[in-house]
Order: sequence, then structure tokens, then C-alpha cells
Amino acid sequence: QKEVEQNSGPLSVPEGAIASLNCTYSDRVSQSFFWYRQYSGKSPELIMSIYSNGDKEDGRFTAQLNKASQYVSLLIRDSQPSDSATYLCAVKGGSGGYQKVTFGTGTKLQVIP
Amino acid sequence: SQTIHQWPATLVQPVGSPLSLECTVEGTSNPNLYWYRQAAGRGLQLLFYSVGIGQISSEVPQNLSASRPQDRQFILSSKKLLLIDSGFYLCAWSPTLNEQFFGPGTRLTVL
Repeated sequence: QKEVEQNSGPLSVPEGAIASLNCTYSDRVSQSFFWYRQYSGKSPELIMSIYSNGDKEDGRFTAQLNKASQYVSLLIRDSQPSDSATYLCAVKGGSGGYQKVTFGTGTKLQVIP
Repeated sequence: SQTIHQWPATLVQPVGSPLSLECTVEGTSNPNLYWYRQAAGRGLQLLFYSVGIGQISSEVPQNLSASRPQDRQFILSSKKLLLIDSGFYLCAWSPTLNEQFFGPGTRLTVL
């Protein structure tokens, strides 16, 4: 079982729609969760971090965390063609000491004009 | 503000040749530093991390090594490259062991 799982996509949404990206993780004691955006050929860029159950909003982005279900999602409202990229979910363990961040393989999002 | 640099941006090397990739961070002190590799179609694989000068932890056995000779400098090396070493090498820094911020990366092709 993969530690962090994402649907590879591509997820295609029309411009202006809401894109919903999902991620599940296996380590029940994970404490920190991150979403990165990676354009083709470029390095990942941190767009959201979330640490508590519930929703966290930043502009057009909303991260949702449900630790009981071991599920984290990213919603992108009013999707734009410039949002077309691969979105990486990252999870940090929480068992004390150094805990590495584990990345999913990413979901490719295509926003159709 | 903090800036992270990596060089070179691209590199083509023959099998068996040595490797040295450099990463430097500006605008912060005592950052946590990381080396990742992203192979085509695969996720980010943590190779090494460092919480201070001379302190290196390795995540996977391989023919790569890392060094941190200065507070804001992190170097990835190999004595003899293998074909499987091809990939996108990313350096990242973190102020708190949580959020990580990536450099622009080095794309390595081993022929």
C-alpha cells in the first residue's frame, strides 16, 4: 500500500469550474499536510499547508482535512488555464523526532478554456 | 526574503563519470536542507536531509553522497554515475521541519 495515494488523472475541468483534487494517506498519526503545484519541467511550489481538521481557505484554494478518514483534498474555485499543472499531496508523519515528508505521485489537472 | 539556488540547471554525463550538484540558500540561517530525486513518472524520493553543518542523514542506499560544508550550502555527489541516476534533482529547504521550499532543480541525464 502506498503511503500517500493520489489519482494520477488527468482531471479535466472547464474554465471557471471547481477542481477537486483528492489524497489519502496511510499513516494514522500524520500531523502535517501540504499541497504543491508543479508545472511541467519546473520544481514544486508550495500552495497550501493544513494541520487541523476542517477547511483552510487561501484565495481560490481551499484545503480540506479529515484525519479520521485519512483524507485531504484541495479545491480550486474559478479554475483558470494557468492552474493546469500536476498537484502533489505531501504528508508528514507525527510520531516524534524527525519525520520525513512523503509525497504522492501527483494528479495532473487540465483546465479547458 | 529567502532564495534557493541550484546549479547546474541541466547536465548530461556519461555512465561512470563523477557528479557534483550544488545548492545554496540565501536569506536564512541554519536551514534544514534536503535532496530529492524525481524520476520520470514517479514521485519525489527523499535522498538526504541535513539539520546542520556536517550532519547528513541518508534515506536510501545508493551510490550518491551528500555534504554540508557550510550552513547554507548542500552538495550532492557521486563517484561513478549509473544510468538509473538520471532524473530531476531537487534541493529544498525548511525553516521548521514542516513546509519545504524547493529550488529550481537540476535535470540530469546519464548516457
